[in-house]
Amino acid sequence: DAGVIQSPRHEVTEMGQEVTLRCKPISGHNSLFWYRQTMMRGLELLIYFNNNVPIDDSGMPEDRFSAKMPNASFSTLKIQPSEPRDSAVYFCASSPRGESNQPQHFGDGTRLSIL
Amino acid sequence: GNSVTQMEGPVTLSEEAFLTINCTYTATGYPSLFWYVQYPGEGLQLLLKATKADDKGSNKGFEATYRKETTSFHLEKGSVQVSDSAVYFCALRGDTGGFKTIFGAGTRLFVKA
Repeated sequence: DAGVIQSPRHEVTEMGQEVTLRCKPISGHNSLFWYRQTMMRGLELLIYFNNNVPIDDSGMPEDRFSAKMPNASFSTLKIQPSEPRDSAVYFCASSPRGESNQPQHFGDGTRLSIL
Repeated sequence: GNSVTQMEGPVTLSEEAFLTINCTYTATGYPSLFWYVQYPGEGLQLLLKATKADDKGSNKGFEATYRKETTSFHLEKGSVQVSDSAVYFCALRGDTGGFKTIFGAGTRLFVKA
């Protein structure tokens, strides 16, 4: 069974550039989550979707961040323009149903470095 | 709102020592509780879970019991190995409000040979 697939695994770019992170959730999972992890702030929930609809985007730090889920098998997180303080590991996770007893399945993350 | 508090790390133990990582929570309703583990360079992965009071979750020698009376879900292992070195996250998923998962800050465990 394929897990959550994220791409790219590593991204290094200069500040001001647009960055797009991609996620393919596990087939059949209808909840999708984007997280950011840093040493200073730990694991932060940015946004999550149920059935492709954004439910809570209160964790999105600024208008420079946007996320879409055009279909059940694909989501993107975009940063435009990027800044050095956006450097972090970004994780995507999915879960089978919007029920409390279901765990989340995480991808291996995208390590983003903004120079 | 819901919250999770876990003991700060790092925790350093010798191989075969007993491990406890404390976790307490605040929640309304009937949440499910989880422990996740993160190895270097990887995402979080589920270690164990418990979905109702007095349930015990267990996996790979780790266990935790859902204690509603003390709002706790402490992680234990009787004999740790070097390969258990990782970061451990306690988490709660509520049964209302969109089923968002609340994670603790994580506890880093180092096991020395």
